[in-house]
Amino acid sequence: SAVISQKPSRDICQRGTSLTIQCQVDSQVTMMFWYRQQPGQSLTLIATANQGSEATYESGFVIDKFPISRPNLTFSTLTVSNMSPEDSSIYLCSATGPYNEKLFFGSGTQLSVL
Amino acid sequence: AQSVTQPDIHITVSEGASLELRCNYSYGATPYLFWYVQSPGQGLQLLLKYFSGDTLVQGIKGFEAEFKRSQSSFNLRKPSVHWSDAAEYFCAVGAWLTGGGNKLTFGTGTQLKVEL
Repeated sequence: SAVISQKPSRDICQRGTSLTIQCQVDSQVTMMFWYRQQPGQSLTLIATANQGSEATYESGFVIDKFPISRPNLTFSTLTVSNMSPEDSSIYLCSATGPYNEKLFFGSGTQLSVL
Repeated sequence: AQSVTQPDIHITVSEGASLELRCNYSYGATPYLFWYVQSPGQGLQLLLKYFSGDTLVQGIKGFEAEFKRSQSSFNLRKPSVHWSDAAEYFCAVGAWLTGGGNKLTFGTGTQLKVEL
C-alpha cells in the first residue's frame, strides 16, 4: 500500500488569497487525483494528474481556479486560487499505481476561507 | 457516466446488531466497486473492493459486501456492529483509466451511528 502525506493539514485563509496544497507519495504512482469534500457532502473529483502531462479537469472545475502540478511520479500540488468562502472544504489527494487498482488517500487539508 | 446511489443518509443501530448499508451503481461495463470509511477528522480508509470473481468479498474490520449484477447493488454488511464502527461510509464505482489507475465516483455517504 502507498502512504500519502498531505500538507498543510489545515489552514485558515483570507478571501482573495491562494493556497497551495502538497501531496507526497512514498512510492512511484501513475495517477494522482484531487478531490474536494464540501461540508457534509461526498467527495467530488476535481482533476486527474498524470506525470508529464496537463491535468484533466472534471466538469465544473477549471485550471485557472485549481492549477495542478505533477513534476514527478511521487509528488503533486493543488493550488486553490483567489479563494472565497465557498472554497471552504476538505481537499484530498489520492494515488494509484499502474497496475494497482486500489486508490489510497491522504488525510486531507481542511481549508477555511474567511 | 458512472454514478452511485446510497439511499440511506443516516442509519442508527445498536451495538451487537447486524448492519447493512445499501449501495446501487450505474456503470456501462463491469464495475470496479469500493467501500471506504471515514471517521471524524480522518482520511478515507479502504474497507473492501470488488473487481471480478467471487461476488461476496471480505474486507477489513469484519465487513463484507456482495456484488449483485442483476440488482446493480454492492451492499455492505457486518454481522455484529461495534461502537467504534460509527463513521461515514462511502460506496464508490471506479473507471479504469487508459494510463492506469481507477477514477472513482463516490456516493453521498451513509452516516452510521451506534447506540450502546
